[in-house]
Amino acid sequence: QKEVEQNSGPLSVPEGAIASLNCTYSDRGSQSFFWYRQYSGKSPELIMSIYSNGDKEDGRFTAQLNKASQYVSLLIRDSQPSDSATYLCAVIWGSQGNLIFGKGTKLSVKP
Amino acid sequence: EAGVTQSPTHLIKTRGQQATLRCSPISGHTSVYWYQQALGLGLQFLLWYDEGEERNRGNFPPRFSGRQFPNYSSELNVNALELEDSALYLCASSDKTGADTQYFGPGTRLTVL
Repeated sequence: QKEVEQNSGPLSVPEGAIASLNCTYSDRGSQSFFWYRQYSGKSPELIMSIYSNGDKEDGRFTAQLNKASQYVSLLIRDSQPSDSATYLCAVIWGSQGNLIFGKGTKLSVKP
Repeated sequence: EAGVTQSPTHLIKTRGQQATLRCSPISGHTSVYWYQQALGLGLQFLLWYDEGEERNRGNFPPRFSGRQFPNYSSELNVNALELEDSALYLCASSDKTGADTQYFGPGTRLTVL
């Protein structure tokens, strides 16, 4: 069974710090990896996509993928209170098309 | 560019009734995906449509069904509503079949009384 695991949190970091969010997945057949941010009562908003091993940076966000370890992470530099949300890791396996989501990590950034 | 739109925003039904939810994808996107987010259960995949065809289905009973129209908009139907169908129903679209980025609409909050 294909699974995506995340620590539920809450993860609390002070404003300006680096927040590190982690995700593991169960099947080596996965090929596409995504991080979404979801504010309470709202729909998921795409932050990053990553397809190959290594790092991908976009502004304050860096996604890291290690397919051998079946691990994907998201680093948020200079965390802001507005970053406080639930962060969802999602994976697409093969040609299935649909996203398999982890349960999300709740991040709280304290001023 | 307009994003994914969904209607209605909120829908209140009683047990046993039918619900119809609608989704319009981003212009140029041909794939539409439906997900259910029930309290405490996370996001669960329901259905995937591309070019008018059902491509994949999640682990939901047959009373969850849908279709995609020639203009790529989509409809999700839930028959014989049960209390546990109360959830946020999210539609997403992508611009090619398979592994590509999905963008979500604002969702429809379905409440079954």
